[in-house]
Amino acid sequence: GENVEQHPSTLSVQEGDSAVIKCTYSDSASNYFPWYKQELGKRPQLIIDIRSNVGEKKDQRIAVTLNKTAKHFSLHITETQPEDSAVYFCAASRGYSTLTFGKGTMLLVSP
Amino acid sequence: NAGVTQTPKFRVLKTGQSMTLLCAQDMNHEYMYWYRQDPGMGLRLIHYSVGEGTTAKGEVPDGYNVSRLKKQNFLLGLESAAPSQTSVYFCASGFTTSGERSVQYFGPGTRLTVL
Repeated sequence: GENVEQHPSTLSVQEGDSAVIKCTYSDSASNYFPWYKQELGKRPQLIIDIRSNVGEKKDQRIAVTLNKTAKHFSLHITETQPEDSAVYFCAASRGYSTLTFGKGTMLLVSP
Repeated sequence: NAGVTQTPKFRVLKTGQSMTLLCAQDMNHEYMYWYRQDPGMGLRLIHYSVGEGTTAKGEVPDGYNVSRLKKQNFLLGLESAAPSQTSVYFCASGFTTSGERSVQYFGPGTRLTVL
């Protein structure tokens, strides 16, 4: 089955800096890669996703890039703010019904 | 719309006791899922359903059973709880688009402690 590795497990940045979280996947047939954000004590929420026929997608301060050849994808957050502090999960799917999640990255943004 | 709701929010069990967690969604989604979340382990899929009356095993199904008698409800059962089942349980519902996107919406979670 699919295996998703996520790095780093913890990331600390200063407000205004950029943050990058990286994930690798094992199943070359995976074609859908979402990112979820989970604030402390809350539920995970989808923040951005990318399909395998797209190399990059942006939504305001966040962007996701995908390298199908290398089987890795990344989340980029620019101009970080304290409210970006949360745990971020990447996931991969063949586009059927199930997602395989990475173990998460705790992002801490200091004022 | 309430979205995805879970009952109860918290529960403490003794080893060997049984319980059922209820998940309900009002978005008419075909797919529903149960995950457990443990520190440093991410979200692991327990069981899922692709439609009313169907269920399938996920990554960590042992010790759990599920039922989907109605489209809007997905029940997770623990027949004989063990301390290893102490976790936060999340339900999700969702849909797929053209076999490419598997979009999932999560419930608020149930924190279960087994003593």
